[in-house]
Amino acid sequence: GAGVSQSPRYKVAKRGQDVALRCDPISGHVSLFWYQQALGQGPEFLTYFQNEAQLDKSGLPSDRFFAERPEGSVSTLKIQRTQQEDSAVYLCASTTVDPSGLYNEQFFGPGTRLTVL
Amino acid sequence: GQQVMQIPQYQHVQEGEDFTTYCNSSTTLSNIQWYKQRPGGHPVFLIQLVKSGEVKKQKRLTFQFGEAKKNSSLHITATQTTDVGTYFCAGLFGGFKTIFGAGTRLFVKA
Repeated sequence: GAGVSQSPRYKVAKRGQDVALRCDPISGHVSLFWYQQALGQGPEFLTYFQNEAQLDKSGLPSDRFFAERPEGSVSTLKIQRTQQEDSAVYLCASTTVDPSGLYNEQFFGPGTRLTVL
Repeated sequence: GQQVMQIPQYQHVQEGEDFTTYCNSSTTLSNIQWYKQRPGGHPVFLIQLVKSGEVKKQKRLTFQFGEAKKNSSLHITATQTTDVGTYFCAGLFGGFKTIFGAGTRLFVKA
């Protein structure tokens, strides 16, 4: 089946604009993660959903960042009043959880490269 | 805070040489995952280690999880040009947050 998809793949925003990044996880995957990856760095955790519930949002850098997954499938990461430091690749990953509660492999989407001018 | 330190940052090898990257955490991990990211690509899952002292092999790749579940390593035997990329460890401390190391970028010269 299809993997994780993200759109848009590239986004250029002027400082102060709002942006919305979309993630379509693998069908049936209850767990969904958002990460921010700066150039030359590892993915940095932003937030986690289990179905429609946002169980951890401790990685969101500021209150300008907001994520939702209203129907437990597609997720949107919204960044308000973008700043230059928000420029990064935003990765979405989905996975299943085994009966012991441990995550299985995370399947990553191709990412959205956000450039804030 | 929860951190996963990964070394080295870069590694240049001649094709056929071995390569090892190391991850360390100051606190006990519930499990650790390893990912590979090719230039311009996204992370792709390699393996998950759960048990103390666990060792897993995938062809030329050997993964180890320390006895105290605070460190892990990935060893590649006889590197090939197809091994080029950045290798990340990702630690889970319980709960939902996954903490990635900064990665080790592997360059292989033919």
